[in-house]
Formats: sequence, structure tokens, C-alpha cells
Amino acid sequence: DADVTQTPRNRITKTGKRIMLECSQTKGHDRMYWYRQDPGLGLRLIYYSFDVKDINKGEISDGYSVSRQAQAKFSLSLESAIPNQTALYFCATSSPTPSTDTQYFGPGTRLTVL
Amino acid sequence: QKEVEQDPGPLSVPEGAIVSLNCTYSNSAFQYFMWYRQYSRKGPELLMYTYSSGNKEDGRFTAQVDKSSKYISLFIRDSQPSDSATYLCAMRETGANNLFFGTGTRLTVIP
Repeated sequence: DADVTQTPRNRITKTGKRIMLECSQTKGHDRMYWYRQDPGLGLRLIYYSFDVKDINKGEISDGYSVSRQAQAKFSLSLESAIPNQTALYFCATSSPTPSTDTQYFGPGTRLTVL
Repeated sequence: QKEVEQDPGPLSVPEGAIVSLNCTYSNSAFQYFMWYRQYSRKGPELLMYTYSSGNKEDGRFTAQVDKSSKYISLFIRDSQPSDSATYLCAMRETGANNLFFGTGTRLTVIP
């Protein structure tokens, strides 16, 4: 399902480097999210955005920043990567229906910080 | 204490078995409960969605919510090798933006 795409799919970088992960969606959803997934910790919300002018911190936003360039694009940046940011990163989107708010996930980006 | 607790497994069953996956939670304000399935190297996909207490059935899958016990379950009947995946529970409060996920249970169905 290519409705939510993430680039790159895999990235290896070094401590201190700046890195950007990109997410694009063709579902026409207003809401977009960034999560990270770690073994034993599950999925944790980093940032979310309900429209282009609305950015909100999630549970673990320290060390990350985001940019909502358009309704369909939401980027996650690590300004100065550190090894404990090694994880699987997922972008998700949802429609604004209050009763369901089903989230659709992208395929993930596997990030390794050496 | 985590908001949502889920046994990580792994769980291995023979084909055709009934599988029971469970989560417990601590926040009594959670009203929306979801089960996601995640295949290896893929993003999670929504499998079942329920509101408040009760049961919901969809084919071989049944989701149960017991709010009095703060306990949710996913049952898979006649399990198939294609059901082999990690199953994540998720839940949220009414009007809230955050989904709280369990850590996931890794299931393998052996042919």
C-alpha cells in the first residue's frame, strides 16, 4: 500500500550528524504523526500535526523537530543524532473523524546512529 | 507503570489453533481500543476497532473489551501461517490525540 511513503527506508549515520526523514501521503488526510518503535517499548509518539499550521509535541519530542511543508508532507529531523535514537521510525496519517481517527502507517525507516 | 501492558511473547501455535492475545491498561478514561497487525519490515495496519466495552467480530477475528477489568483481548480462530506477525494493542481517550500502544506480541503459526 503506497498511500503513505517514507524516505529513506534505511539510513546509517554517525553521531552528531543532522538527518531528515520524510513522509508523504496521498490519502488526503489532515492529521500526520511521527512515531518511533523500539524493542520492548512499543510505538511512542514523537510529534503530530493536525494541519499545516498546527504542530504538537508528543511523548518523546526531545532531540527531534518536525516540519509540515504541505498537507501531504511531514518531515522529521534529528538535529544532532545520537546512538540512542537508533530505532524504527514510522509516519502515520488519519482522517479527522472524531469517532474513529484510524491511523494508517507508512512502511517505516530503519535508522542506525553509530 | 506503563499505560498499556502487553505480553511480548513470542507465541508459537500450530495451524488451526485458537489464539488469544491480551492487553491490560491503567487509564480508566480509555474508550477506543484497537488491534494492529505488523508484518516483518512493514508498518502496523489496523485489524480491529472497538468502542467502550463489548465484543466485535470480523471473520476469524474477535475483539473483546472488559472495561471493568481494564482488559482487552483479540481472539484468532482457525489460525493460519499468514497470521504470523506482531500484534499491537492501542487505545485512547475520547477527544484525545494520542494513541497508547502496547509493546506487541509476536505470533508464529506453524503449518
